[in-house]
Amino acid sequence: GAGVSQTPSNKVTEKGKYVELRCDPISGHTALYWYRQSLGQGPEFLIYFQGTGAADDSGLPNDRFFAVRPEGSVSTLKIQRTERGDSAVYLCASSPSAGDEQFFGPGTRLTVL
Amino acid sequence: AQSVTQLGSHVSVSEGALVLLRCNYSSSVPPYLFWYVQYPNQGLQLLLKYTSAATLVKGINGFEAEFKKSETSFHLTKPSAHMSDAAEYFCAVSTMGRRALTFGSGTRLQVQP
Repeated sequence: GAGVSQTPSNKVTEKGKYVELRCDPISGHTALYWYRQSLGQGPEFLIYFQGTGAADDSGLPNDRFFAVRPEGSVSTLKIQRTERGDSAVYLCASSPSAGDEQFFGPGTRLTVL
Repeated sequence: AQSVTQLGSHVSVSEGALVLLRCNYSSSVPPYLFWYVQYPNQGLQLLLKYTSAATLVKGINGFEAEFKKSETSFHLTKPSAHMSDAAEYFCAVSTMGRRALTFGSGTRLQVQP
């Protein structure tokens, strides 16, 4: 079956611009996670949804970062006023419910010039 | 709060030799522990997980790991390395109260012919 998909696969933007990154989880998975992976590092947690609500957003680095999941399926990570330090691979994962195995998408590579 | 330490950012072994990748964790509550593998330009794939059942956990591709509470360790082993095992390996921890994964910084495994 289809796995987690993320679009775009690559995004290049200029400092100060706004970007949106999309995640399509595995159908039926109620939990959805966003992570960020900088070069040479392990993924770092950003936010996790159970259904439509953000169950834990403690990993969001500042108020420029925001994520939504309005219908409990697709999620969008939004970054305002991008900075060069935001450059990383943004990973999305989903699981049947919280605490189950997380299945990861291929990631979106964001480059801020 | 939980954390993961992976000793050795790079490990090189000969084909057919034992693979040992080290992972130590810190958690104030019973942990769930995971090993993920990341091949170049691919998403994270779960190798194995410990969720408080058997302390010796067998995973895919011949890998296994043993949970040792007294040593707060969850080292990954494989008796005989194959060229196809060359990849980045990440150890991760979560808990009942914090479902998001906390990852180590990763270990890059090289397999020499």
